[in-house]
Amino acid sequence: DGGITQSPKYLFRKEGQNVTLSCEQNLNHDAMYWYRQDPGQGLRLIYYSQIVNDFQKGDIAEGYSVSREKKESFPLTVTSAQKNPTAFYLCATIPGTNTGELFFGEGSRLTVL
Amino acid sequence: KQEVTQIPAALSVPEGENLVLNCSFTDSAIYNLQWFRQDPGKGLTSLLLIQSSQREQTSGRLNASLDKSSGRSTLYIAASQPGDSATYLCAVGAFTGTASKLTFGTGTRLQVTL
Repeated sequence: DGGITQSPKYLFRKEGQNVTLSCEQNLNHDAMYWYRQDPGQGLRLIYYSQIVNDFQKGDIAEGYSVSREKKESFPLTVTSAQKNPTAFYLCATIPGTNTGELFFGEGSRLTVL
Repeated sequence: KQEVTQIPAALSVPEGENLVLNCSFTDSAIYNLQWFRQDPGKGLTSLLLIQSSQREQTSGRLNASLDKSSGRSTLYIAASQPGDSATYLCAVGAFTGTASKLTFGTGTRLQVTL
C-alpha cells in the first residue's frame, strides 16, 4: 500500500533522554515535513526537507534535529534540550512542487514522564 | 504574519442537516487553501485543495469555496451523517520570501447526532 508510515504510534520517554520518531513514505514525494500538534493550537512546523541531504528549520526547531539521507525517510529526533516535548507529532509529504496537496501520516504521540 | 481562524470551535448538529464551516485568513496573498479532517488520535486526511485561481472544489457531499479578496473559505457539508463527526481544519499556503509556508487553523470539532 502507498502511504506514509510513522512509528512508533505511542512513545514514553524519561526526562533527559533523546528519542527518534520514524517517518517513511513510498509515495515518491519530494518534500517532507514534521509538525507538532498541541491541544487548542494549530499545527506548528518543526522542520522540512525538499530534497535529499537538505532540510530547513521551521517555526519551532529548537530542541529537535532531523536528517534526510534517503528520499523515503525523514526521521525526527526529540532531544533533551526540548523543554516541553509531550505532544502529537505528524509527518507529512507533498508531491513535486511544495505548493501541492499535503498528505499526512497517522502521527506519533510522545509523552515525557 | 498570516493568521488563520476557524469559527465555531465546536458544532453539534442532528443527522441530515446541511452545515457550513468557516475559515478566515488575514493575508490574501495565498497560493492554495486545503481542508482536512482529523479523527481523534489520528493524522489529518486531505478533503479538498483549492488553488488560488479557483473559486470552489467539490467532492461528494463536500463543497469548499474560496474568496481570496475577503480572506474567507467555507466548507459545506450536505446531508450530514454521524460518520462526519471529526475535527475539520483548514490550512492556507503562502510564500514568505522564496519559501512556501502553510498556516493552520485550530479546527472546528463537529458532532453529528442521531
